[in-house]
Amino acid sequence: GENVEQHPSTLSVQEGDSAVIKCTYSDSASNYFPWYKQELGKGPQLIIDIRSNVGEKKDQRIAVTLNKTAKHFSLHITETQPEDSAVYFCAASSPISGGYNKLIFGAGTRLAVHP
Amino acid sequence: DAGVIQSPRHEVTEMGQEVTLRCKPISGHDYLFWYRQTMMRGLELLIYFNNNVPIDDSGMPEDRFSAKMPNASFSTLKIQPSEPRDSAVYFCASSLGPANNSPLHFGNGTRLTVT
Repeated sequence: GENVEQHPSTLSVQEGDSAVIKCTYSDSASNYFPWYKQELGKGPQLIIDIRSNVGEKKDQRIAVTLNKTAKHFSLHITETQPEDSAVYFCAASSPISGGYNKLIFGAGTRLAVHP
Repeated sequence: DAGVIQSPRHEVTEMGQEVTLRCKPISGHDYLFWYRQTMMRGLELLIYFNNNVPIDDSGMPEDRFSAKMPNASFSTLKIQPSEPRDSAVYFCASSLGPANNSPLHFGNGTRLTVT
């Protein structure tokens, strides 16, 4: 089955700096790669996603890149702000029987942005 | 829309007791997912439904866990009997389409403590 590895587990940056979180996946059939942000006491919330036919996607300060050959994808946050502090999860879709898919999550990265 | 609604937010129970967690998905969403989050194992998919039918329950830990979706607007996750190792945050999520095509919308979770 699919295995998603995420690094680093913790990341500390100064406000205004960039943050990069990296993930690798094992199933070459995976074709959808979302990123979720989880704040304390809340459920994860989608911040950006990318599909396998696209190499890069950007939304304001957030960008995601995908390298299908190497089976890795990354989240880039530029001009970080204190409100970006949260736990970030990458995920990859994994096909199962019957034409269905399920999302497998990485272990998470705790990002701290210091003023 | 109010989003995915879970109840209770917190549950404290003694080992051996039955626990029932409840979820109301977003109206119109055909997929419903139950995830468990722990420090050791991260976000694990327990089971998911499509149009109220269980599709994949391979993540359900053991026979003590059961999930139902009697209609499109309600699902339950039951643990009987509960054990201390079941302590975790349980999330319900729903989506409009399949996991490789549609974002998951998470509730705020139920924090379960079994003593």
